[in-house]
Formats: sequence, structure tokens, C-alpha cells
Amino acid sequence: GDSVTQMEGPVTLSEEAFLTINCTYTATGYPSLFWYVQYPGEGLQLLLKATKADDKGSNKGFEATYRKETTSFHLEKGSVQVSDSAVYFCALSEGYGGATNKLIFGTGTLLAVQP
Amino acid sequence: EAQVTQNPRYLITVTGKKLTVTCSQNMNHEYMSWYRQDPGLGLRQIYYSMNVEVTDKGDVPEGYKVSRKEKRNFPLILESPSPNQTSLYFCASSVRDSTNVAFGSGTRLTVV
Repeated sequence: GDSVTQMEGPVTLSEEAFLTINCTYTATGYPSLFWYVQYPGEGLQLLLKATKADDKGSNKGFEATYRKETTSFHLEKGSVQVSDSAVYFCALSEGYGGATNKLIFGTGTLLAVQP
Repeated sequence: EAQVTQNPRYLITVTGKKLTVTCSQNMNHEYMSWYRQDPGLGLRQIYYSMNVEVTDKGDVPEGYKVSRKEKRNFPLILESPSPNQTSLYFCASSVRDSTNVAFGSGTRLTVV
């Protein structure tokens, strides 16, 4: 079945460092891809998404590009802040066009940014 | 404000004591689902519902029940909770066939 693999954490960075969190996926159809963020003690918030190959999702300085050839959707940010400390989940939505509502999640990556 | 509301936020219970976690959305979404989040496993879908009176199993349905009598509500029922159901639970909703999914704030359940 479909699956998502993301890099293990925790990732510890200093403020203003460059961030990459790797995510690769396996899917038989044409999924949509997502990054969700979970701040301490809170629920999941959609950070960004991409619905087809070569799309770039972006939000709050974060970016990820849907790479079909490498089945990847790596999350990047040029300069992290302490307030970015959270758990980041890569996810895909199954089915043609990615519009079947069910989300398949990676295991999550804890990011800790130190001042 | 458009939102998915779960209650309670925190719950400690004993093995075998039936409990219900409520979920309500005010966005008129057809699709609702429940996930559990466990360390090292991410989120996994427990049950989902495509509309009123239409429910189906997700990837980890054992030990859980759901019902969808009204469009806005989708309660998760644990008839006889066990310690392996200790987890963080999320309710989610969306318009059918949409990639925009809204999540509740989560319910942290501990079964002792």
C-alpha cells in the first residue's frame, strides 16, 4: 500500500540555520502531498501542500517541491526561528488527484531550534 | 469560527470502562475520520465516515466503534478500553473529495 517515509529526529538547529527534512513516498496513483505541523500541546495544522508533480508548496518561509521522479517532497526553510520548534509530519492523500480524504502520514520529525 | 471540536482534551480511565470521545464540526463537511498518533508510528486512521449513516474501517479499527447519526457529529467509542489504546486521538473533517482537511485539537487518552 501507499506509504510515507521521513527522516528520523530529533533535528536540533541553531536559530537562522538552514532546515531540510527529507520525505519520500510510495504511491500507486497520483497523490497529493502535504506537510503538517504540530506545535507543543496543539493539534495538526496544514503547513503546505502540492497536488501534482513539480508543484511547489510554500507557507511561512517553508517550501517543498513535489518531485515525481524521485518520489520526494522535502521540506526546507532558509532561516529557522525558535518559534518553528515543533513536530513536522509529511503526508499523502491517496487516490487519483489525491482527493479521497484519507491521509497517510510519516512518523513525524521533531525540530528543536535553539537561540 | 470554523472548527473541529473534540472533547475531552485529556482523559485517564481504567481498563474495561466504556468511554466516548466526542467530535463535532460546524463546516457542514461530509467526510469525517478518526486518527490515533503514537510515537514512531505517526498518525493512523481508525475509522472514517463519508456521510450520515455511512462508516467504514480505517487501518487500525480493532477495539473501536463509531457512529454518524448526524452530519456534524462523529463520536469515537471504546467499549472496553485496554492499555494499548493509550494514545493521542485526532478527529478530522473535510468536504468530500477535497485535499483540505481540518483537524481537532486532540484527545490524550490514558488507559491504566
